[in-house]
Amino acid sequence: NAGVMQNPRHLVRRRGQEARLRCSPMKGHSHVYWYRQLPEEGLKFMVYLQKENIIDESGMPKERFSAEFPKEGPSILRIQQVVRGDSAAYFCASSPPGSTANYGYTFGSGTRLTVV
Amino acid sequence: DAKTTQPTSMDCAEGRAANLPCNHSTISGNEYVYWYRQIHSQGPQYIIHGLKNNETNEMASLIITEDRKSSTLILPHATLRDTAVYYCIVRVAGGNQGGKLIFGQGTELSVKP
Repeated sequence: NAGVMQNPRHLVRRRGQEARLRCSPMKGHSHVYWYRQLPEEGLKFMVYLQKENIIDESGMPKERFSAEFPKEGPSILRIQQVVRGDSAAYFCASSPPGSTANYGYTFGSGTRLTVV
Repeated sequence: DAKTTQPTSMDCAEGRAANLPCNHSTISGNEYVYWYRQIHSQGPQYIIHGLKNNETNEMASLIITEDRKSSTLILPHATLRDTAVYYCIVRVAGGNQGGKLIFGQGTELSVKP
């Protein structure tokens, strides 16, 4: 039973390019969460998605960032026109549908984005 | 903002029990207490969670006070591999809405030989 898969593990982009980060949740999980961790800082919630729906995007920057979780395929976090301040580790977590009282989230290993 | 307060750092001798405290004085009746840890820039790892009863699993024990305003995570026999940042989080669980986790600064636990 594979865990949450994130790819790529490391991504280098020049300023102004686009970054696409992918997250495949655990089998049977339909809830996906994205977090960002800036160097030497804590984890910050970005967005919560269910299949084909954004449930909570209160932590997403208003510009250049978008997320989707299509009916088929992985969840994608997209950052347009990257700047140096976007350099961070981006973590994805998933959880199963229904009551989450008996579950913690399962996190992936993260994507380290470096903007040069 | 995080609804919990934890010490910034703690040390523990290898083989001894590590007791990590957490204050959550504003916890609501339907909020659970969750513990996660992050080992050196890896993805956070779920440890344990509970509502009001004490809980134990293969990793740790969770002791929640009767008034639910604080809790303690216990690692019974700490090893060097338990060195990590430990996060205490309160969150509503249940229903189809899931619910985001809000991470605070956590406690940096250093297990020393």
